[in-house]
Amino acid sequence: DAGVIQSPRHEVTEMGQEVTLRCKPISGHNSLFWYRQTMMRGLELLIYFNNNVPIDDSGMPEDRFSAKMPNASFSTLKIQPSEPRDSAVYFCASSLSRIQPQHFGDGTRLSIL
Amino acid sequence: KNEVEQSPQNLTAQEGEFITINCSYSVGISALHWLQQHPGGGIVSLFMLSSGKKKHGRLIATINIQEKHSSLHITASHPRDSAVYICAVLIYNNNDMRFGAGTRLTVKP
Repeated sequence: DAGVIQSPRHEVTEMGQEVTLRCKPISGHNSLFWYRQTMMRGLELLIYFNNNVPIDDSGMPEDRFSAKMPNASFSTLKIQPSEPRDSAVYFCASSLSRIQPQHFGDGTRLSIL
Repeated sequence: KNEVEQSPQNLTAQEGEFITINCSYSVGISALHWLQQHPGGGIVSLFMLSSGKKKHGRLIATINIQEKHSSLHITASHPRDSAVYICAVLIYNNNDMRFGAGTRLTVKP
């Protein structure tokens, strides 16, 4: 199995630009998670999907962030407009269910200048 | 006070030593996750447990629900075990997760 695939691996862009992060979960996994990791705040759960439906987006920092899962094999996390404080590593993970072990992608390192 | 506390923050050991990393939490949980983050940044799920003990190779994880405490043990530690170990809890009756700040383990040859 290819594991969870995230793209891009690195993104550097200027503030105000739209950023789109992509994730392909492991086939057959029903749960998908988006996380953000920074030095200051550590790991944080942003949003959790179950069977393509957003279940909990209470971790999404503000309206500039949005996430979609149009089908079982693809999810996006979008930031518009981006700000320097959004700079972080964003991880996507998937699992068979919420209480099953999660498989993480390699992350997207985002730098907003 | 953080809802999930890990100790120690940093740990240096000699190869072969027995390692214990602790995680205490103050909320009701449905499960607890131990994660390993390698120096390159990749994250691997080591264990997810809601009671008792689990073992995988040289790694052992235990949880005491009544005491709201979990431990991760590494037997016969090796330099390749050097990583940050993160404890995460799934909040009971909720879809949220809380993370510990991580324990940075360095195992010297």
